[in-house]
Amino acid sequence: QKEVEQDPGPLSVPEGAIVSLNCTYSNSAFQYFMWYRQYSRKGPELLMYTYSSGNKEDGRFTAQVDKSSKYISLFIRDSQPSDSATYLCAMSLNNNAGNMLTFGGGTRLMVKP
Amino acid sequence: EAQVTQNPRYLITVTGKKLTVTCSQNMNHEYMSWYRQDPGLGLRQIYYSMNVEVTDKGDVPEGYKVSRKEKRNFPLILESPSPNQTSLYFCASSLSTSAKNIQYFGAGTRLSVL
Repeated sequence: QKEVEQDPGPLSVPEGAIVSLNCTYSNSAFQYFMWYRQYSRKGPELLMYTYSSGNKEDGRFTAQVDKSSKYISLFIRDSQPSDSATYLCAMSLNNNAGNMLTFGGGTRLMVKP
Repeated sequence: EAQVTQNPRYLITVTGKKLTVTCSQNMNHEYMSWYRQDPGLGLRQIYYSMNVEVTDKGDVPEGYKVSRKEKRNFPLILESPSPNQTSLYFCASSLSTSAKNIQYFGAGTRLSVL
């Protein structure tokens, strides 16, 4: 079993839809939770960053962490074609070690006009 | 502009022919790392460096070497490439190993080993 599980998709939605992307994890020691967005032929870029449990909102994006269920989500409101990308969840321990991030496999999102 | 630069972006080679993928960052970051990305497996860490002359293995180090002689550069070396090293490679850097610091990624190097 992978340490971080993520549905690979693809997830296809119409423009304007609310998108929900999710990851589950097995290591209860993870404390930092991130979402990276990766456009085709580009490197991942940090989209959202959350420490511990709770919600964080940034514009159309909301990141949610439920540590009791070992489950994190990214919600995208009013989705746009420009949101079409692969979304990677990533997690980190709080130990300043070199193996900083554990990634999920990524979910490919397609937003159709 | 703050960036992580990888070269080459695309590389086709044959089994056993040594190659080097370069990585350079202009942000004076202490921490640098190499990942490979394969379908369905996400990014897996190959090697990382916490500072000059300090390197260590990640999750999938077999068949790779790295060096960190200067703070800005962190080359990835494949001494004898094999077809199972065909993958998309990313270099990343961060101010430090603190989980609070953002990792910045390069644009990637797509390697095919025939």
